[in-house]
Amino acid sequence: GESVGLHLPTLSVQEGDNSIINCAYSNSASDYFIWYKQESGKGPQFIIDIRSNMDKRQGQRVTVLLNKTVKHLSLQIAATQPGDSAVYFCAENSEITGGGNKLTFGTGTQLKVEL
Amino acid sequence: NAGVMQNPRHLVRRRGQEARLRCSPMKGHSHVYWYRQLPEEGLKFMVYLQKENIIDESGMPKERFSAEFPKEGPSILRIQQVVRGDSAAYFCASSPLQGIMNTEAFFGQGTRLTVV
Repeated sequence: GESVGLHLPTLSVQEGDNSIINCAYSNSASDYFIWYKQESGKGPQFIIDIRSNMDKRQGQRVTVLLNKTVKHLSLQIAATQPGDSAVYFCAENSEITGGGNKLTFGTGTQLKVEL
Repeated sequence: NAGVMQNPRHLVRRRGQEARLRCSPMKGHSHVYWYRQLPEEGLKFMVYLQKENIIDESGMPKERFSAEFPKEGPSILRIQQVVRGDSAAYFCASSPLQGIMNTEAFFGQGTRLTVV
């Protein structure tokens, strides 16, 4: 079936460095993606989203890149801080027949920030 | 504004017992989603409800699981005759309108169910 998956389960970076978290998807019809941050013991927290009519979107210290040709997206975190330590998920947002939306999550990447 | 409230935060049940998980959406939100997260996995969609209606339950196991969102009160996810494989974190998300699932959908802190 269709899936959203991540390349690496764990990423360790030094504080102050940039982090890049990758995600591959398989459904070429996917047109809306969201990145979530999940800290230990908490629910997912929205970070940034991107639609298929865009290649890049920037937020505060975060940038999402979308390459539709190879069905790949990435989350870049600038000047990574200890508070960025968490599991990061990419998710595909798709419409539900009858209304509403559902998210298909990838497995997640654990980001560890070393001091 | 209070966020999405889930309770209990932690729930321990013996095999064969029933588990009831509650979700109170954010004020003004009338749409609720339930997701399940197994250890070290991503969240998996279970069910989407509006007040008094189940819109999509394609992610719900066919047996033992049910969900409701009554006119008054919280949404309830009910698991009958729990088995060890039901041990997971269950998350609820709410949104104000159908079709809005980006910044306007908020997740609760989850209920961590442990079946012993």
